[in-house]
Amino acid sequence: QKEVEQNSGPLSVPEGAIASLNCTYSDRVSQSFFWYRQYSGKSPELIMSIYSNGDKEDGRFTAQLNKASQYVSLLIRDSQPSDSATYLCAVRNTGNQFYFGTGTSLTVIP
Amino acid sequence: EAQVTQNPRYLITVTGKKLTVTCSQNMNHEYMSWYRQDPGLGLRQIYYSMNVEVTDKGDVPEGYKVSRKEKRNFPLILESPSPNQTSLYFCASRGQGWDSPLHFGNGTRLTVT
Repeated sequence: QKEVEQNSGPLSVPEGAIASLNCTYSDRVSQSFFWYRQYSGKSPELIMSIYSNGDKEDGRFTAQLNKASQYVSLLIRDSQPSDSATYLCAVRNTGNQFYFGTGTSLTVIP
Repeated sequence: EAQVTQNPRYLITVTGKKLTVTCSQNMNHEYMSWYRQDPGLGLRQIYYSMNVEVTDKGDVPEGYKVSRKEKRNFPLILESPSPNQTSLYFCASRGQGWDSPLHFGNGTRLTVT
């Protein structure tokens, strides 16, 4: 079983819609969860982090964490073409190591 | 500006010719790490270092070496590169806090022919 799993997509949404990205993880006692955005050929850049159950909002982005279900999600409201990228879910486990999902490719259609 | 700097950005080499990819960070981070990224496989950790002179294997260490003689530098060494090491490589660092994210360098695209 992989440490972190994401749907690879591709996910296509029209401009202005809500994009929903999902991630599950296997280490039940993981503490920290991160979403990174990666444009093709570029390095991952941090979008959001979340540590407690519930929702965390930052501008158009909302991260949601459910530790009981071992589930993390990222919602992007009012999606823009510039949001087209691959989104990586990362989990920091009890061994202080980061594990990454394989990423979900998002395309926002103008 | 706080950053992780990798060099070179692009590297084409031949099988068996030793190479080093440099990584430097100016954030005084104790933790540094190397990842490779391949299509469909995502980011996989090669080696990491919790502090100076302390290094440990990640998930895919075969064929790689690292050293951590100074806090800011963490070079990746391929002593005898092979074509299956053709990949996109990222160096990353993070602070000590449990909530500290990874900060990535700009990446090195390596091609081994």
